[in-house]
Amino acid sequence: DTGVSQDPRHKITKRGQNVTFRCDPISEHNRLYWYRQTLGQGPEFLTYFQNEAQLEKSRLLSDRFSAERPKGSFSTLEIQRTEQGDSAMYLCASSLYLGQGNEKLFFGSGTQLSVL
Amino acid sequence: RKEVEQDPGPFNVPEGATVAFNCTYSNSASQSFFWYRQDCRKEPKLLMSVYSSGNEDGRFTAQLNRASQYISLLIRDSKLSDSATYLCVVILFSGGYNKLIFGAGTRLAVHP
Repeated sequence: DTGVSQDPRHKITKRGQNVTFRCDPISEHNRLYWYRQTLGQGPEFLTYFQNEAQLEKSRLLSDRFSAERPKGSFSTLEIQRTEQGDSAMYLCASSLYLGQGNEKLFFGSGTQLSVL
Repeated sequence: RKEVEQDPGPFNVPEGATVAFNCTYSNSASQSFFWYRQDCRKEPKLLMSVYSSGNEDGRFTAQLNRASQYISLLIRDSKLSDSATYLCVVILFSGGYNKLIFGAGTRLAVHP
């Protein structure tokens, strides 16, 4: 499978615990995005990498959230001290860059996080 | 005002019907536009790009109206398998980066 893969598919955790999600993008794509989606809403931007550099972070990404992309390949998103409000689908997407103002995202299946 | 707005629906239509969705965007400097399809509990998947000249792919036609700042998606001869949420995506180049903004989606339910 040459698509974007995410692991795990589901994560149930207790409030206050730390969780880490992994994303493996399409190998030819050098851009990687993390989004969060809750029921009835569209995906909301969290952060973006070009190769290993994290170039932009949303205000949604509090200091409990950290993302890395060592060596510009796979990426991890860690949430520390989880809260019930963190419950959501976390989507990773790799990108086919077509130029300024133009690119296409290819999403992984997402990690559904439930914080009890 | 939201940057990208869509009617959440649901649009309930019979098989074979023609249905159209609109999506409005607030920033006139937006450069690219797309429709994504999202099935229940699945990831969004790129459906088609949207151009001012219109873009047709089989039963699907997408159109951009820059003057009125909206994009549209027309589905002809609806199939049961078209039931999904349709997300509008607008790209704005800002601060040196492409900013991709998703609408909340329009839900379509096609019934027999």
